Amino acid sequence: AQTVTQSQPEMSVQEAETVTLSCTYDTSENNYYLFWYKQPPSRQMILVIRQEAYKQQNATENRFSVNFQKAAKSFSLKISDSQLGDTAMYFCAFMKLTTGTASKLTFGTGTRLQVTL
Amino acid sequence: GAVVSQHPSWVICKSGTSVKIECRSLDFQATTMFWYRQFPKQSLMLMATSNEGSKATYEQGVEKDKFLINHASLTLSTLTVTSAHPEDSSFYICSARSTSVSYEQYFGPGTRLTVT
Repeated sequence: AQTVTQSQPEMSVQEAETVTLSCTYDTSENNYYLFWYKQPPSRQMILVIRQEAYKQQNATENRFSVNFQKAAKSFSLKISDSQLGDTAMYFCAFMKLTTGTASKLTFGTGTRLQVTL
Repeated sequence: GAVVSQHPSWVICKSGTSVKIECRSLDFQATTMFWYRQFPKQSLMLMATSNEGSKATYEQGVEKDKFLINHASLTLSTLTVTSAHPEDSSFYICSARSTSVSYEQYFGPGTRLTVT
């Protein structure tokens, strides 16, 4: 079974600064996806960024980028130029690729990020 | 973009009654839908996976007779909490996977259930 660990329950960053959220995972699979989801106070889950394990290049989406270290099974999220709207719970998630039955997401415990003025 | 709706967004029911939550994919067909439960300040816990036209697959520890899932069409899945008790009070979230995009799930806005 896969496990996803987020060791930072809470983090705080000042507006316009950069913050990095940590995530490690444990799997014996070779083909999988990793995701970061954002859950703001509205509780709507929003996909922030996705990384395919077979890609060596780190994914980026505007102010969001990841540092994917496959050998170390690490997948951190960097948020640059933090904005007040980035305040949310951030979940790291793992999904192995399977044929037939649908692949399932395994979520970490989350990191609560507070962006301050 | 892909939109998933849930209805109701908030429901209060009395202990012993049943409540149904609907999950709809509005602009795409979803062969697979997922139901999650989230307690306050905790992560999402997968309850079950439902495929259109077949029985749902429940995660270990989830009572299938208590949480009835029906996925009758490519755009609708329902979760019925039967004989609800206060400990069933939680936030329930559904997600749907498009037939054309195998790796991405689109999440509904969630339903807050309070059992009194």
